[in-house]
Amino acid sequence: DSGVTQTPKHLITATGQRVTLRCSPRSGDLSVYWYQQSLDQGLQFLIQYYNGEERAKGNILERFSAQQFPDLHSELNLSSLELGDSALYFCASSVDHQGGMNTEAFFGQGTRLTVV
Amino acid sequence: AQSVAQPEDQVNVAEGNPLTVKCTYSVSGNPYLFWYVQYPNRGLQFLLKYITGDNLVKGSYGFEAEFNKSQTSFHLKKPSALVSDSALYFCAVSYRDDKIIFGKGTRLHILP
Repeated sequence: DSGVTQTPKHLITATGQRVTLRCSPRSGDLSVYWYQQSLDQGLQFLIQYYNGEERAKGNILERFSAQQFPDLHSELNLSSLELGDSALYFCASSVDHQGGMNTEAFFGQGTRLTVV
Repeated sequence: AQSVAQPEDQVNVAEGNPLTVKCTYSVSGNPYLFWYVQYPNRGLQFLLKYITGDNLVKGSYGFEAEFNKSQTSFHLKKPSALVSDSALYFCAVSYRDDKIIFGKGTRLHILP
């Protein structure tokens, strides 16, 4: 058990809809990262938050957004969903004392999103 | 452009034999390099990292990786493979502005 909790584990929704994925980081971890894993694209970094503020942005679509709350949990919001958004979405957290991704990250088990 | 390449989609190794999973990268500046493993229906687990110092880093489960700056490689190795090592392995690199990119993953099959 990595200590990172993601809910829900599975999500099935229709095209055009909006969903919210939730992540609770390990206790004490200030950084939260979101990733998308699909068969054709591999693992893609989407976005990172550190102590409530956006720190780094990867290949995140404009239809997607995220935030980190004062209690450090994070939510990834996916809107106007398309079939191609079907993927496994991972959250990870790290201690990140020195800033930057030079400390190992601990991953949740992921949310499998299926858009039909 | 910054990139990470894992040139092999799949690697098959007999149990007890040494294994190597390849990773090369292309980033500007000094990268931080990582290996992660993903078992079926599980999230990714950290194996090891290279930040600075000794080019040979040792990690979890008997794995090690060698940083080669001239060849821009960070290959994952283990002297004697176990069937339980069968999994999906990801190489990752972090560089300026805290961006991180992952390779597409290499599926490792250890044959009994």
